[in-house]
Amino acid sequence: GAGVSQSPSNKVTEKGKDVELRCDPISGHTALYWYRQRLGQGLEFLIYFQGNSAPDKSGLPSDRFSAERTGESVSTLTIQRTQQEDSAVYLCASSPPNEKTQYFGPGTRLLVL
Amino acid sequence: GENVEQHPSTLSVQEGDSAVIKCTYSDSASNYFPWYKQELGKGPQLIIDIRSNVGEKKDQRIAVTLNKTAKHFSLHITETQPEDSAVYFCAANRGYNTDKLIFGTGTRLQVFP
Repeated sequence: GAGVSQSPSNKVTEKGKDVELRCDPISGHTALYWYRQRLGQGLEFLIYFQGNSAPDKSGLPSDRFSAERTGESVSTLTIQRTQQEDSAVYLCASSPPNEKTQYFGPGTRLLVL
Repeated sequence: GENVEQHPSTLSVQEGDSAVIKCTYSDSASNYFPWYKQELGKGPQLIIDIRSNVGEKKDQRIAVTLNKTAKHFSLHITETQPEDSAVYFCAANRGYNTDKLIFGTGTRLQVFP
């Protein structure tokens, strides 16, 4: 079946511009996660959505970062006034109910010039 | 705060040899420990996981061991093949039975034919 999809696959932007990254989770998955992966490094947790509960935003690095999720479907991660240190791969993952396995998308590679 | 340490950062082995990657965690409440494999340009993919009520789990050439007392767990790959070459991440959940994961910094495994 279809896996987690993310768009765009690559994004180049100029410092100071806003960007929106999209994640389409696997149908029926109630949990959705966003991670940041800098070059050659591990996964840094950003935000977690679980059903209709309030999202866990504890990993967002600054108020320039925000995310929304429409019900149990698509999510958008927005980075305002991008900085060069925002350059990274942004990964989205989803999980089915009552399961801990996270299924990852291919990521969006963001480059801020 | 809670963290997961992973060693080594790089590992090179000859095809057919075994590879071992080790992780330690700090949160004694963690009870779920997955391992992910990330190939170049792709999102991480779960390869095996273990829960704290067992000490070892095996799936064909892959095994994971867990020592709760010492708070460390290891990934063992036997009879390595070139297609095992990838970056491997360990993770632990943040608190008992939660879904949020803390990831290690990754191990780049190279298997030479």
